Amino acid sequence: KAGVTQTPRYLIKTRGQQVTLSCSPISGHRSVSWYQQTPGQGLQFLFEYFSETQRNKGNFPGRFSGRQFSNSRSEMNVSTLELGDSALYLCASSLATGSNSGNTIYFGEGSWLTVV
Amino acid sequence: DQQVKQNSPSLSVQEGRISILNCDYTNSMFDYFLWYKKYPAEGPTFLISISSIKDKNEDGRFTVFLNKSAKHLSLHIVPSQPGDSAVYFCAASAQDGNQFYFGTGTSLTVIP
Repeated sequence: KAGVTQTPRYLIKTRGQQVTLSCSPISGHRSVSWYQQTPGQGLQFLFEYFSETQRNKGNFPGRFSGRQFSNSRSEMNVSTLELGDSALYLCASSLATGSNSGNTIYFGEGSWLTVV
Repeated sequence: DQQVKQNSPSLSVQEGRISILNCDYTNSMFDYFLWYKKYPAEGPTFLISISSIKDKNEDGRFTVFLNKSAKHLSLHIVPSQPGDSAVYFCAASAQDGNQFYFGTGTSLTVIP
């Protein structure tokens, strides 16, 4: 069973540009969430999607957005990139049964974004 | 507001000894807790979880303990191995399970 797949793995962008990251969840998983990891900050929750609807959103500016497609694949977009957006962006998927009993999230390898 | 806290950024342990990683949370609605292990340049890997109806869950060398009254959980690794050297994150979620809150991580170094 394939794991969570994220593309691209590495990318370099210039300040002011925008970027789109892609995530394919584990087959059968309907919930996709995104996290940002920066040194010393742990994993900061960006947003979570289920059935193409954003259910939860973290405390990030509106420049960060996402969407989910009917096949559960998800994309996140960051517009007007700033130097501080340089981070590892992680996608995670789960079955999202509606109860958290055993509702483990599984992460992809991440997309390393460097803004110069 | 950090609802899940790992107050020790790093920990060093001799090979063969016990590693104890700690995690505290503030939200009493959290009732499901997980530990993840992360190597550099890789995504976090799920290790072990515990529901609030239990106070202990064991899986091989890994045991997680939950103290609900103290809002504290810990991960015990016995015996510690050099391959366990990684960053460990604890995470928590509430009943709906839709959003997970992560700590800032503890970097474990197991010295051969």
